[in-house]
Amino acid sequence: AQSVTQLGSHVSVSEGALVLLRCNYSSSVPPYLFWYVQYPNQGLQLLLKYTTGATLVKGINGFEAEFKKSETSFHLTKPSAHMSDAAEYFCAVSVPWAGNMLTFGGGTRLMVKP
Amino acid sequence: SAVISQKPSRDICQRGTSLTIQCQVDSQVTMMFWYRQQPGQSLTLIATANQGSEATYESGFVIDKFPISRPNLTFSTLTVSNMSPEDSSIYLCSVVRPGSDTQYFGPGTRLTVL
Repeated sequence: AQSVTQLGSHVSVSEGALVLLRCNYSSSVPPYLFWYVQYPNQGLQLLLKYTTGATLVKGINGFEAEFKKSETSFHLTKPSAHMSDAAEYFCAVSVPWAGNMLTFGGGTRLMVKP
Repeated sequence: SAVISQKPSRDICQRGTSLTIQCQVDSQVTMMFWYRQQPGQSLTLIATANQGSEATYESGFVIDKFPISRPNLTFSTLTVSNMSPEDSSIYLCSVVRPGSDTQYFGPGTRLTVL
């Protein structure tokens, strides 16, 4: 079975500051990893994903994440926060041959201060 | 990605009634899922909607409460039956396209039960 832990249910940064949202996973097999973003009153939008290959993946809106197998982590970063980044962020894991079933972390609400 | 629509986008219902939520995709997909997102919480998988057969429900969810249909490869419905205030949530469908490893989400249906 897989599990995902997102450290920090709420993260607050100033506009222009570094954004770091933490995600650690547990999986008995090499996982696929995803970050989704949910803006207020909207569904989930895919930010980025890691399946195979390069461990540093770039996504939309200037976000990127690095898969670190030794640390079982997939932290999400953005060099400079923008007010429009305020949203809920979800890390998720799936096992490639398990029907694309996703296991979600608890979510992190990012607040951006002017 | 796929263009996914859900109807209704939101509804306010009375206790004891039922609501059917529709999920429509612009192209054929292999897999369709239904999730519940309770207020301030992460996503919980309700069931996998199987085309032409009964849905596969996750632990804690039963067909009598959440009947699901999937008559073809682009459409599914979720019914929330005999509603109580505890059913107040956002309900989201997601899909996986052929050859893809990624779930894409609809905009969600925000349900309030009084």
